[in-house]
Amino acid sequence: QSVLTQPPSVSGAPGQRVTISCTGSSSNIGAGYDVHWYQQLPGTAPKLLIYGNSNRPSGVPDRFSGSKSGTSASLAITGLQAEDEADYYCQSYDSSLQGVFGTGTKVTVL
Amino acid sequence: QITLKESGPTLVKPTQTLTLTCTFSGFSLSTSGVGVGWIRQPPGKALEWLALIYWDDDKRYSPSLKSRLTITKDTSKNQVVLTMTNMDPVDTATYYCAHTVEMATITPPFDYWGQGTLVTVSS
Repeated sequence: QSVLTQPPSVSGAPGQRVTISCTGSSSNIGAGYDVHWYQQLPGTAPKLLIYGNSNRPSGVPDRFSGSKSGTSASLAITGLQAEDEADYYCQSYDSSLQGVFGTGTKVTVL
Repeated sequence: QITLKESGPTLVKPTQTLTLTCTFSGFSLSTSGVGVGWIRQPPGKALEWLALIYWDDDKRYSPSLKSRLTITKDTSKNQVVLTMTNMDPVDTATYYCAHTVEMATITPPFDYWGQGTLVTVSS
């Protein structure tokens, strides 16, 4: 049961910038808990893309960036590339420190 | 190098209990801050957070599934076991285990994931 809401899909042409929103509530994102983002390529396990709202693990291109404000967070992909076509999920925690995932967003490169 | 691998039955019958094992290497569940979680994904659907166990045996469960889930660890075997009772066809999903570690935050990400194992619930 996802309690973080994401748009089902976003699309953009190569080179463009796309953003994915992740909307929560005062019991999760709004409570100050970190938001993390994962990229899931078709048929593979999710991969950590952004942690702690805006930090990139080693090896993740700086085309990916994250931000958080209030009860929402966003993932931005600048300079969109064909290899970025994947599903993206946000994740946070609720007031009982149980994890919650977003509904997921499919990114299509036109 | 951290690796995790899920194992267990690929097919279970409705009402049965599912037992999944996550066998890992490259870290120890006796190290302060380290945890292993379980996440599942029904075919074509979103990820769902299930449970998490930390080095100090602190356990967290999804509120909606708490009555059906049990997570345990065997530090000597480098394994974490998840049991889910009263399985139903809606529980058909790929089940993943993943590594996490509390460092600067009490709400850490899953930084390493297993490949996942597909469990089908059908009579």
